[in-house]
Amino acid sequence: GAVVSQHPSRVICKSGTSVKIECRSLDFQATTMFWYRQFPKQSLMLMATSNEGSKATYEQGVEKDKFLINHASLTLSTLTVTSAHPEDSSFYICSARTSGSGNEQFFGPGTRLTVL
Amino acid sequence: KQEVTQIPAALSVPEGENLVLNCSFTDSAIYNLQWFRQDPGKGLTSLLLIQSSQREQTSGRLNASLDKSSGRSTLYIAASQPGDSATYLCAVSPYSGYALNFGKGTSLLVTP
Repeated sequence: GAVVSQHPSRVICKSGTSVKIECRSLDFQATTMFWYRQFPKQSLMLMATSNEGSKATYEQGVEKDKFLINHASLTLSTLTVTSAHPEDSSFYICSARTSGSGNEQFFGPGTRLTVL
Repeated sequence: KQEVTQIPAALSVPEGENLVLNCSFTDSAIYNLQWFRQDPGKGLTSLLLIQSSQREQTSGRLNASLDKSSGRSTLYIAASQPGDSATYLCAVSPYSGYALNFGKGTSLLVTP
């Protein structure tokens, strides 16, 4: 199946700093990428939808100025958590959708963010 | 707003048993339904994708069924193995190209 990578897999940072997470589709072009967040023992919650070359669409309650999303190419989307705080500590997972193939989504391995 | 519920939340079975995981959704107007596996601290592995026009999909020891009108799906695992231990997530998509709406998952433990 299609492969999606994320980098870094784990990051620890101090409160107030910014962290960038990359999501790449390795063997296909992804016109749409999604960013999800998962808190412990909870399910994945959609944060935003990212379409190549256009502004991301954010879900209600997700601050677009805090979670900056850039989808500059068909294989790369980035999520930047600006001025991170301990409550932003979570597991961030991206997915990429292939065109055709029934709208199947392929997920990255996730990034564990810990803000001290 | 679509609500996806998975029952049971946790399940422990001895190796070799056949088991069924349940998923229900409140809005039957879905485009497709996916079952995923998630190992602790890891990302998601797609197991099966069922389009809204389909009734079931099979892959190896896994069989997923979909009853769209009643808002239900089941994941059947035959001859369970300890390596099947993981959290299984059900997710639905309302439209083509749209994001997935996830249930909270069923945590499965298969004991040797």
